[in-house]
Amino acid sequence: DIVVTQSPLYLPVTPGEPASISCRSSQSLLHSNGYNYLDWYLQKPGQSPQLLIYLGSTRASGVPARFSGSGSGTDFTLKISRVEAEDVGVYYCMQAVQSPPTFGGGTKVDIK
Amino acid sequence: EVQLVESGGGLVKPGGSLRLSCAVSGFSFNTYSMNWVRQAPGKALEWVSSISSSSNYIYYADSVKGRFISSRDNAKNSLYLQMNSLRVEDTAVYFCVRVLQGYYAMDVWGQGTTVTVSS
Repeated sequence: DIVVTQSPLYLPVTPGEPASISCRSSQSLLHSNGYNYLDWYLQKPGQSPQLLIYLGSTRASGVPARFSGSGSGTDFTLKISRVEAEDVGVYYCMQAVQSPPTFGGGTKVDIK
Repeated sequence: EVQLVESGGGLVKPGGSLRLSCAVSGFSFNTYSMNWVRQAPGKALEWVSSISSSSNYIYYADSVKGRFISSRDNAKNSLYLQMNSLRVEDTAVYFCVRVLQGYYAMDVWGQGTTVTVSS
């Protein structure tokens, strides 16, 4: 199975400031079709996860523009341009290039 | 409004069985692949099973293969997970999840149902 590793595990953030989370995979997530099969999810406290980014950099419907995804191959980054209080929660990346789909261990984002 | 509502969770002894259900509404269920994803207490997300729109393709995580059976009834807009030979390590919140058409991303999640396996 592809191992997905996130860092940091915990990220204290200041509202209005940028933040970024790293996701690395044990194998390339670049499909032969040219897309990277890497998704980002946010699980807010007490809620179900929600899709933020898919195919490495495509924002899901309704996701604010302050969220962006980048990277290719084995190294990916989720960036929040200006953190808002509602962005707290646990962020997960997930690879889907190879079955089984596997999630990273999560990055907890909290307000300083 | 798109909705996924799971039910059927509960407390069961090791070796027992449970059947989870997921009732969907607000979209054309018969055109979407669906997943089950679970989350053990305090742990990360874990993919459990995928089923294609017509049930032609069904996949399982190694951790549940041979014990869990995923199925769907498109006429009833419902997804099911039959869980047999349950183990303590199957304790988790189980989410019913829609797969984004044409991709593998999971774009709609239910609220989850809790399964506790304990003697």
